Amino acid sequence: AQSVAQPEDQVNVAEGNPLTVKCTYSVSGNPYLFWYVQYPNRGLQFLLKYITGDNLVKGSYGFEAEFNKSQTSFHLKKPSALVSDSALYFCAVRDTSGNTPLVFGKGTRLSVIA
Amino acid sequence: GAVVSQHPSWVICKSGTSVKIECRSLDFQATTMFWYRQFPKQSLMLMATSNEGSKATYEQGVEKDKFLINHASLTLSTLTVTSAHPEDSSFYICSARGYRAGRNTEAFFGQGTRLTVV
Repeated sequence: AQSVAQPEDQVNVAEGNPLTVKCTYSVSGNPYLFWYVQYPNRGLQFLLKYITGDNLVKGSYGFEAEFNKSQTSFHLKKPSALVSDSALYFCAVRDTSGNTPLVFGKGTRLSVIA
Repeated sequence: GAVVSQHPSWVICKSGTSVKIECRSLDFQATTMFWYRQFPKQSLMLMATSNEGSKATYEQGVEKDKFLINHASLTLSTLTVTSAHPEDSSFYICSARGYRAGRNTEAFFGQGTRLTVV
């Protein structure tokens, strides 16, 4: 079975500082990993994904994530946070076999303080 | 990215009535649709998976007679909440995957529907 853990319910960071939102995963085979962002009463917006290749994945709005197979982690990072980055962030995983749905973490609320 | 349109974005209905939520893929063929439910401050919980032209596969604990899913075409899936009750109030999100320009797509999400049953 696949699972995703986001250990932090809330992350607070000052504007301009680097941010990290943590994610670890468990999957039987090779993982496909995703990060999504959700604003209030909105659907999910895709940020980035790891399928294969370089462990450092660059995505939308200046976000990036590093796939670490040995630590089974896929932490989301941004060098300099903006107030507008404040939102709910979800890490998700699916395995590479078949047409399987995404399994989501519980989400981490990011607050960027001016 | 591909576009998935979900309608309505919000709906208020009386207890006992039924509500239909539509999910459309606008620029790709959605062979598979996923329906999720999200409670306040919680993650997305998968309700069911539907493949075009087939009956939906429901997750454990989801009542298939209450949450009717139809996926009759490659661009449209509907979720009907039958005889809605206040405990059905939630945020429902659809997701679609399929083919575009001969290549598989990853999942794209609709905007979500806020259902309030009074």
